[in-house]
Amino acid sequence: DIQMTQSPSTLSASVGDRVTITCRASQSISDWLAWYQQKPGKAPKLLIYKTSSLESGVPSRFSGSESGTEFSLTISSLQPDDTATYYCQQYNTFPYTFGQGTKLEIK
Amino acid sequence: QVQLQESGPGLVKPSQTLSLGCTVSGGSISSRTYYWSWIRQPAGKGLEWIGRIYTSGNTNYNPSLKSRVTISIDTSKNHFSLKLSSVTAADTAVYYCARDYSDRPFDSWGQGTLVTVSS
Repeated sequence: DIQMTQSPSTLSASVGDRVTITCRASQSISDWLAWYQQKPGKAPKLLIYKTSSLESGVPSRFSGSESGTEFSLTISSLQPDDTATYYCQQYNTFPYTFGQGTKLEIK
Repeated sequence: QVQLQESGPGLVKPSQTLSLGCTVSGGSISSRTYYWSWIRQPAGKGLEWIGRIYTSGNTNYNPSLKSRVTISIDTSKNHFSLKLSSVTAADTAVYYCARDYSDRPFDSWGQGTLVTVSS
């Protein structure tokens, strides 16, 4: 299985901060990477697909990028509603696998 | 806008078979565009993809669960199902159904249903 390693596991930032979460794959996944936001008691919500494509309806402060074997989710200006756990997911190879999650809190 | 809704028992005894259904509304499960997946999440833990099915009945399963999993589809009812046999406490989780589309995976999810394995 392809292992997806996210960092950091937890993150605390202030409203208005620029925040970046990273995800590294244990082998090549091309650009088949997605990011999800999950709030407590809710299903995950797709934010970004194919590394950098913004899902319809998702605020433009969310963006995705790739640098070598590392993928990133960036929130350009953190908002209170962004408090959640974020997951990356590869869909290049079966079985699809997710990162362990990054819990983002507002200071 | 498509909606997915899980259904099934919230409590299953160890060694028995977990059976869940997912009803799709607002769109056809027979669409050749989509696959239909099951994903689970133990309390306080991460997400695990279980497997998926296409309208033709073609399936892909997670090898870690493949020997115990069966996913089926009933296009006449716009419904697909999950069966997981020989369950243990480790199978206790929230189970989600989700739509899997080409380069946009899991763009729609059910609300999730908690299944507890306990005697």
